[in-house]
Amino acid sequence: IAGITQAPTSQILAAGRRMTLRCTQDMRHNAMYWYRQDLGLGLRLIHYSNTAGTTGKGEVPDGYSVSRANTDDFPLTLASAVPSQTSVYFCASKMENTNYGYTFGSGTRLTVV
Amino acid sequence: GENVEQHPSTLSVQEGDSAVIKCTYSDSASNYFPWYKQELGKRPQLIIDIRSNVGEKKDQRIAVTLNKTAKHFSLHITETQPEDSAVYFCAASLNYGGATNKLIFGTGTLLAVQP
Repeated sequence: IAGITQAPTSQILAAGRRMTLRCTQDMRHNAMYWYRQDLGLGLRLIHYSNTAGTTGKGEVPDGYSVSRANTDDFPLTLASAVPSQTSVYFCASKMENTNYGYTFGSGTRLTVV
Repeated sequence: GENVEQHPSTLSVQEGDSAVIKCTYSDSASNYFPWYKQELGKRPQLIIDIRSNVGEKKDQRIAVTLNKTAKHFSLHITETQPEDSAVYFCAASLNYGGATNKLIFGTGTLLAVQP
């Protein structure tokens, strides 16, 4: 692994199903983030984690949950997917207590039907 | 919370002309303002950033200006080239309490450089 990796690359999901988007980084970054990108709305923060063991809510957290059991992994779970969660999801990471140096994953395109 | 507005939503320029994208932010506590370029189907990539203790920063054809009093910042691209065509996002970093610095993004500008 080099940098930050997201999986799957894309997914079509039936409404009501549970889905976990995976994000893994090998840069030992403390802080990690999940954003969703929708046309005309830019990138909106869903959840974040300052460091392993802590998480926080962003701008649009409803319908999503996260966990941060260790430094490297920050999975995003949709407990019961709805069509409005159709989006491109980006994971990002950086060292805590710095403003710069965000690294983005390559994104997961999720379609809820 | 922080709110970042970005204009215009689309911008078309002729190759060689300059392009300017403007953003405003709401929270005077924000102190870091990066710009990202996103090509179709790819991840956002940082192209330039500025901190609140600086009014202007340049990197070759790209420059960013910041007016803290007015709470706005702008991206300037000179001598545009077709490969500059992409979506550009501004962002502001919000500091409060014990939270780490979270980026709040603008809604993006689709820049088209016509050859």
